[in-house]
Amino acid sequence: SQQGEEDPQALSIQEGENATMNCSYKTSINNLQWYRQNSGRGLVHLILIRSNEREKHSGRLRVTLDTSKKSSSLLITASRAADTASYFCATAISSGSARQLTFGSGTQLTVLP
Amino acid sequence: DTAVSQTPKYLVTQMGNDKSIKCEQNLGHDTMYWYKQDSKKFLKIMFSYNNKELIINETVPNRFSPKSPDKAHLNLHINSLELGDSAVYFCASSQGPGNTGELFFGEGSRLTVL
Repeated sequence: SQQGEEDPQALSIQEGENATMNCSYKTSINNLQWYRQNSGRGLVHLILIRSNEREKHSGRLRVTLDTSKKSSSLLITASRAADTASYFCATAISSGSARQLTFGSGTQLTVLP
Repeated sequence: DTAVSQTPKYLVTQMGNDKSIKCEQNLGHDTMYWYKQDSKKFLKIMFSYNNKELIINETVPNRFSPKSPDKAHLNLHINSLELGDSAVYFCASSQGPGNTGELFFGEGSRLTVL
């Protein structure tokens, strides 16, 4: 089963509004990352938050991490049409010698002009 | 200057054929990966190589064989293609063997098996 699952699967908002996407995971993590994928393109790294961090900012992005609830959220403020994309969370786990970055199936964000 | 480049971008072929996808990174990274993204956008790791050595090999049919001639290249060869192999295949790279840092992705290779 997937380690990270995003919620909602799809989100449609008006330009200027804020967009919030959530990610839940099952096992302990080293870090959690958010990626963006424009249609027909590769994934682009947005932000990484470590397991001992609770909040991180990058421009219009704000990421929170709650390890007790095994969840994270990505907030995009003052959204723009160009923010339309799929957003993925990825959880980095270490188990013995195995280290893995596991992706969810993403949230499709549509920002209407 | 493309950091991670993969070719071809599109590949349409018949069942039973053999095909290859090539990947190159110019970031000087030690680790390269192949991911498969299905029609529901679920992204799953297939292989990971660190300095030409295989370090992750998920449950993938033997028909898939990665080859890393040097640490800047990781190619994917697929034998006896099946309908279920249709997907977008992404190459990625990262610094260090941990596979827990930031990944840099190529633009993807969309494989369609008819």
